[in-house]
Amino acid sequence: AQRVTQPEKLLSVFKGAPVELKCNYSYSGSPELFWYVQYSRQRLQLLLRHISRESIKGFTADLNKGETSFHLKKPFAQEEDSAMYYCALMGYSSASKIIFGSGTRLSIRP
Amino acid sequence: EAGVAQSPRYKIIEKRQSVAFWCNPISGHATLYWYQQILGQGPKLLIQFQNNGVVDDSQLPKDRFSAERLKGVDSTLKIQPAKLEDSAVYLCASSLVGASAGELFFGEGSRLTVL
Repeated sequence: AQRVTQPEKLLSVFKGAPVELKCNYSYSGSPELFWYVQYSRQRLQLLLRHISRESIKGFTADLNKGETSFHLKKPFAQEEDSAMYYCALMGYSSASKIIFGSGTRLSIRP
Repeated sequence: EAGVAQSPRYKIIEKRQSVAFWCNPISGHATLYWYQQILGQGPKLLIQFQNNGVVDDSQLPKDRFSAERLKGVDSTLKIQPAKLEDSAVYLCASSLVGASAGELFFGEGSRLTVL
């Protein structure tokens, strides 16, 4: 069964500090992993996906198949990073449905 | 480019009443999703369409929820009769197929309160 786990409901860090949002998944196969973000009063939107291997807004995420993790990292947090972050998984099947974790609220303190 | 449109934005009903939500996806997006997001939880997939066919509805409570996507464009999600636990934000999303399938474009959501 597909499952995405985000163990932290809230993560609060100071501006300029490093950030790591944790995501673990369960899937029998090779899924595609994503991070979605929802800023205050905005729609949920894609932040990054593991196959693109890009850094978006200073964030990176590496897929670790051995640990079944896809943690989101940023070396220096900025106040505008405050938002809800959701890890998501897409399995490669005929359905290719996308499931989400429960989300982590990131709060950046000035 | 116009985004995913949803209506109504807010709806308050009493339990056992019915409600319908409408979604207009981005033009050209073959795949359409309905998610239910209960306060404090992540989005939960209810149903996924590709064009006008259902790809996955395994999590849809079919005794009270129904959805359709006529002509492979707009979609409606109906709840009848509503229960207290249906209070949630109902999110519609759309995507292309193929390599871009994982990039979902979300609407603003329809917030349902069942009293």
